[in-house]
Amino acid sequence: QSVLTQPPSASGTPGQRVTISCSGSSSNIGSNSVNWYQQLPGTAPKLLIYSNNQRPSGVPDRFSGSKSGTSASLAISGLQSENEADYYCAAWDDSLNGVVFGGGTKLTVL
Amino acid sequence: QVQLQESGPGLVMPLETLSLTCTVSGGSISSYYWSWMRQPPEKGLEWIGYIYYSGRTRYNPSLKSRVTISVDSSKNQFSLKLSSVTAADTAVYYCARHTQFYNWFDPWGQGTLVTVSS
Repeated sequence: QSVLTQPPSASGTPGQRVTISCSGSSSNIGSNSVNWYQQLPGTAPKLLIYSNNQRPSGVPDRFSGSKSGTSASLAISGLQSENEADYYCAAWDDSLNGVVFGGGTKLTVL
Repeated sequence: QVQLQESGPGLVMPLETLSLTCTVSGGSISSYYWSWMRQPPEKGLEWIGYIYYSGRTRYNPSLKSRVTISVDSSKNQFSLKLSSVTAADTAVYYCARHTQFYNWFDPWGQGTLVTVSS
């Protein structure tokens, strides 16, 4: 059972916009920034969004992040087949004094 | 740019100690935090702990009693030791640079699979 809650799966067709939610509590998302990671099949996770809504250099602007209260969301617009991956949210938890991850969302491009 | 590479045994006997090293290249280990994560087969990510180049550490409370992370600045390496392992510790282990305060991990090593089995 992960501290942050994500839907196990999401899907969309090419060109569509999809969102992935991440729900937490006052001790994690409610008081700390959220980061998102993309894990392509068979590879290591890669930082996708940091500090709630910032994109590292090289990440397309089709990817965007937002946070409100104790929840966060990752949006992918103009969905492409190469976006098929597992997506994880993460944040610092003040109660556990450590980083906590969501369980991950497997995105399928139909 | 900075690159990380995990190394260590791929097979560990039950109840023994898992030992891995992460070598940092393309940049200095100094002035940064460094973390270990793991991912059991077909499961999600778990943060194990971090170390600052000065040696300051913080561990995941669920693993704290079995984990030791250390740093060797002269070799630009940091290491993970996990004691009394069981099959539940079978996972791909990743090292990554950890940005303090905002707590994001970038970049990551490619990961190394450690299997606990007799």
